[in-house]
Amino acid sequence: EVQLVQSGREVKKPGESLKISCKAGGYRFTNYWIAWVRQMPGKGLECLGVIFPEDHETKYSPSFEGQVTISADKSISTAYLEWNSLKASDTAIFYCARRSLNGAGYDYWGLGTQVTVSS
Amino acid sequence: IQLTQSPSSLSASIGDRVTITCRASQGISSYLAWYQQKPGQAPKLLIYAASSLQSGVPSRFSGSGSGTDFTLTISSLQPEDFATYYCQQLNNYPLFTFGPGTKVDIK
Repeated sequence: EVQLVQSGREVKKPGESLKISCKAGGYRFTNYWIAWVRQMPGKGLECLGVIFPEDHETKYSPSFEGQVTISADKSISTAYLEWNSLKASDTAIFYCARRSLNGAGYDYWGLGTQVTVSS
Repeated sequence: IQLTQSPSSLSASIGDRVTITCRASQGISSYLAWYQQKPGQAPKLLIYAASSLQSGVPSRFSGSGSGTDFTLTISSLQPEDFATYYCQQLNNYPLFTFGPGTKVDIK
């Protein structure tokens, strides 16, 4: 059974760093793109970027380039989303999702990680 | 590629036929997916390639369209269908942007 297990909720202060994780199971991690998707409170879905774990190829949406870092560790089938200096506007739920092999959308999703940034 | 959805929200009754429209700013052939998101839950893939039903999704859901104009139809709205629906373009590999969403609630 395919599973994407995300790390737990985080409460941080502005300026702090953070790295959240998404552990994949039930499939060959290196064969599928993983996407990170943001949902701000009461708002829609935004794709931050994607990574292909086999070769670590990473693409960022223009709005998020330089704001976050996406990485992956093949040895433990885990993808990461990282911030160097959080802002209050980073408060959101962050989902990881698997892009299906045939390009037919994101077929499996994690439950999301709530990140709250507040002084 | 920008996506717009209409309406942004709608109210409907159980058993109603519901249609949601998604328009792309440029042609994307049939590279479009639809998702359902209920409060407190992750999105769920319903339709891919504009009209293909994802495994396990009830047949009352259907999709159509190509190029720039697409529709998601729920043939007979059920209580569990009250949710927000998003379209997503699958043309701009590998970054697939979402539409703004359409909230379906109870009339």
